[in-house]
Amino acid sequence: GIQVEQSPPDLILQEGANSTLRCNFSDSVNNLQWFHQNPWGQLINLFYIPSGTKQNGRLSATTVATERYSLLYISSSQTTDSGVYFCAGARGTGKLIFGQGTTLQVKP
Amino acid sequence: DGGITQSPKYLFRKEGQNVTLSCEQNLNHDAMYWYRQDPGQGLRLIYYSQIVNDFQKGDIAEGYSVSREKKESFPLTVTSAQKNPTAFYLCASSTQRNTEAFFGQGTRLTVV
Repeated sequence: GIQVEQSPPDLILQEGANSTLRCNFSDSVNNLQWFHQNPWGQLINLFYIPSGTKQNGRLSATTVATERYSLLYISSSQTTDSGVYFCAGARGTGKLIFGQGTTLQVKP
Repeated sequence: DGGITQSPKYLFRKEGQNVTLSCEQNLNHDAMYWYRQDPGQGLRLIYYSQIVNDFQKGDIAEGYSVSREKKESFPLTVTSAQKNPTAFYLCASSTQRNTEAFFGQGTRLTVV
């Protein structure tokens, strides 16, 4: 099955800094999503991005499907951005395979 | 208000008991999924259903059972055969395969 690798596993930033999170897939996917897990455990949808680039406020994401990776950019980070970021992909079905996550801590 | 509702939020189970976790959606989605999350880990698929009265095993189905009698409901039963059931359980739904999935708020199950 598909393997999903996220990097870095942990990230500590000062408020206002920018960051890039990466997600690599072992095989091509035609469904790719980024999530933010809040302190209560809920998964918040950030992007549905099987290919191309999308932006939503301070967040943007780029997926290069032919090279099997996706990037999540966080600009001007805020303390409320802290939490765990997951990417997940699926190929041919809706069965999302999740990475292990990147734990982000933004310090004031 | 459209969304996915999981209940209860917290559940305590004695060893040897079966428990059922509820998942209801009013998004008119065809597909529904159950995932398990252990501390510090990503999510792993337990069961999924693409259509009413049909479901398939995911990667870690042993010790779990599901039913899909109605489009809006996909309950998960954690049986006594599940050796390590303490975890965070998340339900999701999507319109069909390979479309954006949305998640409920989760149920934390603890075996006491």
